[in-house]
Amino acid sequence: DTEVTQTPKHLVMGMTNKKSLKCEQHMGHRAMYWYKQKAKKPPELMFVYSYEKLSINESVPSRFSPECPNSSLLNLHLHALQPEDSALYLCASSQEASYQPQHFGDGTRLSIL
Amino acid sequence: GQQLNQSPQSMFIQEGEDVSMNCTSSSIFNTWLWYKQDPGEGPVLLIALYKAGELTSNGRLTAQFGITRKDSFLNISASIPSDVGIYFCAGQIHNAGNNRKLIWGLGTSLAVNP
Repeated sequence: DTEVTQTPKHLVMGMTNKKSLKCEQHMGHRAMYWYKQKAKKPPELMFVYSYEKLSINESVPSRFSPECPNSSLLNLHLHALQPEDSALYLCASSQEASYQPQHFGDGTRLSIL
Repeated sequence: GQQLNQSPQSMFIQEGEDVSMNCTSSSIFNTWLWYKQDPGEGPVLLIALYKAGELTSNGRLTAQFGITRKDSFLNISASIPSDVGIYFCAGQIHNAGNNRKLIWGLGTSLAVNP
C-alpha cells in the first residue's frame, strides 16, 4: 500500500466546474510534488513544494492552482479546465534532501467533459 | 523537455525468463531511480542508486549505476506474471536550482506469458 494517499481516485468534471484534488502523506516528508501523466508516458512535473512553500512551477496554466496547507497536505485546485487536461494526476513526496527519492500516490484519474 | 533513452520500449517474455532493460543519457547523473507502474496505480520505487558503479539488489531485481554516470540497467531474474507493468528509469542531477526535477525515460512495457 502506498503511503501517499490521493483523493478522489476518479473525477469527472465539466469545463466550467471547480474541483480540488487532495494528497496526504504522514512520512514526515517536507517536499511534495504534483505531476500530470498521460497514458503510457512518464509523469510530467507540475509543481514542487518545499517546507510548504512553492519552489518550482513548471509553467503550468493558471487554471491549476496548488496549495500546501501544512507539511502533510497538498491540494490542487482546478477551474475552467480543458479536455486536454484529462490525465492521471499524481502526488509524490520526498524527504527534504533533494537527492532523496520521490514516493508516489496512486493518482486521481481526471476526465474533462 | 530532456528525456533519457530507455530500451527496449516493450518486451514480451515467457514466465521464468530473465529480463534486462537500460537507460542512457548524454548527461551525467548523480542519482538513478527505477520505478514500476501497474495500470491504475502510481509509480512504485524499486531501486535507488547513488554512486557510480553501485550494484543494488531488491529480491529478483538488480540495478547498476554505470561507471560513466550516464547510464543504468535493471535486470529481473526468473520473471513471474506479476512482473507485468511499465518500468521507468529516472535520473537526477544534484546542482543548484532545479535539482528536484527527475529526468524520465519513456518506459519499458513488460508482458509475461504464464
